[in-house]
Amino acid sequence: NAGVTQTPKFRILKIGQSMTLQCAQDMNHNYMYWYRQDPGMGLKLIYYSVGAGITDKGEVPNGYNVSRSTTEDFPLRLELAAPSQTSVYFCASSYSLGQTISYEQYFGPGTRLTVT
Amino acid sequence: QKEVEQDPGPLSVPEGAIVSLNCTYSNSAFQYFMWYRQYSRKGPELLMYTYSSGNKEDGRFTAQVDKSSKYISLFIRDSQPSDSATYLCAFGSGNTGKLIFGQGTTLQVKP
Repeated sequence: NAGVTQTPKFRILKIGQSMTLQCAQDMNHNYMYWYRQDPGMGLKLIYYSVGAGITDKGEVPNGYNVSRSTTEDFPLRLELAAPSQTSVYFCASSYSLGQTISYEQYFGPGTRLTVT
Repeated sequence: QKEVEQDPGPLSVPEGAIVSLNCTYSNSAFQYFMWYRQYSRKGPELLMYTYSSGNKEDGRFTAQVDKSSKYISLFIRDSQPSDSATYLCAFGSGNTGKLIFGQGTTLQVKP
C-alpha cells in the first residue's frame, strides 16, 4: 500500500495562476481532508469529503475548490493564486467502522506551494 | 480564548531526559485526543490516540487526558535524538471526523 500520495511535491505559481493539487489514497477510506500548514502553525482544515460526490467546507475554504468523483482521489483546485496561499498543503484520509468515523487520520507527504 | 493552545517551544533536552508536552483546550465536547509527530518536511503521523479520559502507554510514550482541567499531556521517557520533531495535539468531537490541531511544539533532543 502506498497510503496517501500527493503530487506535486513543490510548485511555484505566479499571482493569478491556477493549479490543481492531486491527492490519492489506496486504503479504501471514505473520508478525505485537505489542510494547509503555515510556518509555526498547526493544520487548518480547508475542505473535507465523506465519500464520493460529497464535499463540505472546513475552516479556511476561501480561494479553493474540491471535487470527489471517486473514493480514491480528492483534488484541490486553486483558481486565482494569491500570496496568502503560500503554504504547505496536506491531504489526509480516514475510515469509518459502520456508522462511526475514525479520528485516525493518515497524512500524505505534502505539497509546498509558493505564490509570487 | 483559543479553542486549543500549545506552546510552540522550541524545547531542547539532553538525550535520555523525560519530556513533557502539553495542550490545553476550551471545548468540553472534545472526546478524542490525539498526538501527531511531524518530522521536518514530512507529513504528520499518528503517535497516540485516546478516547474520553485516562492514560495510554505505548513503549516510551504515555498520553494523559485530564478532562476536568481540559489538559492533555504527552510524556516521552528516555528521549532519543530520533524523537526530535514537532508534536501536534489534535482534538475531535461528535461523529464528524474533523480534528482541531494545536500549533505544534518543536522538540530537539541533543546527543
